Amino acid sequence: EAGVAQSPRYKIIEKRQSVAFWCNPISGHATLYWYQQILGQGPKLLIQFQNNGVVDDSQLPKDRFSAERLKGVDSTLKIQPAKLEDSAVYLCASSLGLGRNSPLHFGNGTRLTVT
Amino acid sequence: KNEVEQSPQNLTAQEGEFITINCSYSVGISALHWLQQHPGGGIVSLFMLSSGKKKHGRLIATINIQEKHSSLHITASHPRDSAVYICAVSNFGNEKLTFGTGTRLTIIP
Repeated sequence: EAGVAQSPRYKIIEKRQSVAFWCNPISGHATLYWYQQILGQGPKLLIQFQNNGVVDDSQLPKDRFSAERLKGVDSTLKIQPAKLEDSAVYLCASSLGLGRNSPLHFGNGTRLTVT
Repeated sequence: KNEVEQSPQNLTAQEGEFITINCSYSVGISALHWLQQHPGGGIVSLFMLSSGKKKHGRLIATINIQEKHSSLHITASHPRDSAVYICAVSNFGNEKLTFGTGTRLTIIP
């Protein structure tokens, strides 16, 4: 079974620039998550999708972050404009779906450095 | 107070030692997850459990629902076990994960 694919693996941008990350979950997984992990901390949920609907985006800084999962498969996370404090690893994860209580599968993450 | 607390934060041990990492949580959960993260790498799910005990190779995970406590044990530890081990709990309903801050394990040959 192919795992969760994320790209790019690394990204370096200057503050106030824009950046986008892409995630392709495991085939058949209805639930998709985006997490932000700042160095030395545990992951923080940014947004959770069930198919193409948003389940939880309470911790997403909506003034600069946006995410979509238009066809209920791939997802993109965008930051516009980036700030220094956005430097982190952005992790995408997927699971079978709500109510299935299934384990999460994580991608390798995108390491973002904002200078 | 964090909803998920792990101890110790850092652990260094000799190869072959028996390792225990603890996790306590303060909320009702649908399941508890143990995850492994290598430096620069993604996160791998080791266990998901809601009761009792699970074993996979040299890894054992236990959970006591009444005491809201879980432990991850590694038998015959090896340098390749060096990683950050993260405990996370999922809530009923949206299954949102709440993460602990992780335990950094270093096994010395």
